[in-house]
Amino acid sequence: RKEVEQDPGPFNVPEGATVAFNCTYSNSASQSFFWYRQDCRKEPKLLMSVYSSGNEDGRFTAQLNRASQYISLLIRDSKLSDSATYLCVVNLGYGGSQGNLIFGKGTKLSVKP
Amino acid sequence: DVKVTQSSRYLVKRTGEKVFLECVQDMDHENMFWYRQDPGLGLRLIYFSYDVKMKEKGDIPEGYSVSREKKERFSLILESASTNQTSMYLCASRGQTNQPQHFGDGTRLSIL
Repeated sequence: RKEVEQDPGPFNVPEGATVAFNCTYSNSASQSFFWYRQDCRKEPKLLMSVYSSGNEDGRFTAQLNRASQYISLLIRDSKLSDSATYLCVVNLGYGGSQGNLIFGKGTKLSVKP
Repeated sequence: DVKVTQSSRYLVKRTGEKVFLECVQDMDHENMFWYRQDPGLGLRLIYFSYDVKMKEKGDIPEGYSVSREKKERFSLILESASTNQTSMYLCASRGQTNQPQHFGDGTRLSIL
């Protein structure tokens, strides 16, 4: 089983739609979680951290379900500028590395006019 | 804001050359990382460093080495470049455990 799994998409949605991405992780000891956004031919950029109680940042809502080992990202009122690849990222939080991040391969979102 | 700077955005080298990719961060972060990213394969960790002069192998260290002589600088070295090392290379840094990583702009390296 892969450590972090995401549906690769692409998700093709109209402007204004609500879209949700899910991500599952295999290591129950994982300690912190993030969503990154990556535009074509650019570097990944932190979108938001994911907290146990769930958190919201404008049109974006992130949730964590530790029991089922999945993370979700909800985007409301999609904009053309939301088109990108969204990476789910898990931090194991232990080891000589002091916690490596494990990246999913990303889910591609395309918002159409 | 964290600033991670990679020395080149685009680089073209020849097979067999020794290639140096430089990365500098300005946030006094202990942890620094080198990844490569290829279509369909996602981000793969090459090497990381959690302190000056300390380094650990990631998932795909073969054909690469690294150097961390100063806290702010982490260098990736391709000892003898090969065409299968053509890729996007991304440097990242991080402070405390459980904090997110911050990436540089990336270097698109082509080996001819």
